[in-house]
Amino acid sequence: AQSVTQLDSHVSVSEGTPVLLRCNYSSSYSPSLFWYVQHPNKGLQLLLKYTSAATLVKGINGFEAEFKKSETSFHLTKPSAHMSDAAEYFCVVRSYSGTYKYIFGTGTRLKVLA
Amino acid sequence: NAGVTQTPKFQVLKTGQSMTLQCAQDMNHEYMSWYRQDPGMGLRLIHYSVGAGITDQGEVPNGYNVSRSTTEDFPLRLLSAAPSQTSVYFCASNPRPPGQPDRRNEQFFGPGTRLTVL
Repeated sequence: AQSVTQLDSHVSVSEGTPVLLRCNYSSSYSPSLFWYVQHPNKGLQLLLKYTSAATLVKGINGFEAEFKKSETSFHLTKPSAHMSDAAEYFCVVRSYSGTYKYIFGTGTRLKVLA
Repeated sequence: NAGVTQTPKFQVLKTGQSMTLQCAQDMNHEYMSWYRQDPGMGLRLIHYSVGAGITDQGEVPNGYNVSRSTTEDFPLRLLSAAPSQTSVYFCASNPRPPGQPDRRNEQFFGPGTRLTVL
């Protein structure tokens, strides 16, 4: 079965500096990968997804992620953090073990300092 | 479209009580699912449905029942609440099951229900 590992449970950055949220996946075939954002006391919103097309995926709010097969990674980046980016971020893989399901990482909480 | 709606937003139960968390979507989506979110554990799949009349178990189904009598509704029932079921519950829907091509198969989430079992 496929899985994802989010390498940092908490990340702090200063406003205006780059954001890097790390995600590694395990999969025996070309995976479908997603990043979701959850603002405090809200539901989850899709940021971007990789489904075997372009390896550099652009999402909403200036976020992007690069699928690197050789490193089994799908890290989320943004050139310049904004206060409104403070939230929890989840990396997700579509997994197959008899049936298809979405498997969530444990989440990375992003704090943006003024 | 209202999207995915969940009621109630908050609920406090005593151990042993039963209740139903409601979920509805107005997008004619085939696939619906229930997750629970616990600190440090991400979201874990409880039950899912690939269409009206069809449900199946996810990763953590014990203590929960579901039914899908219509395309729109997918209620989650707690049969006898336990403190271990204190969590935030999210309902989600997709146009098609995850095995279908993902290019246009986005998962939409409801706002969540925060449940406390004393």
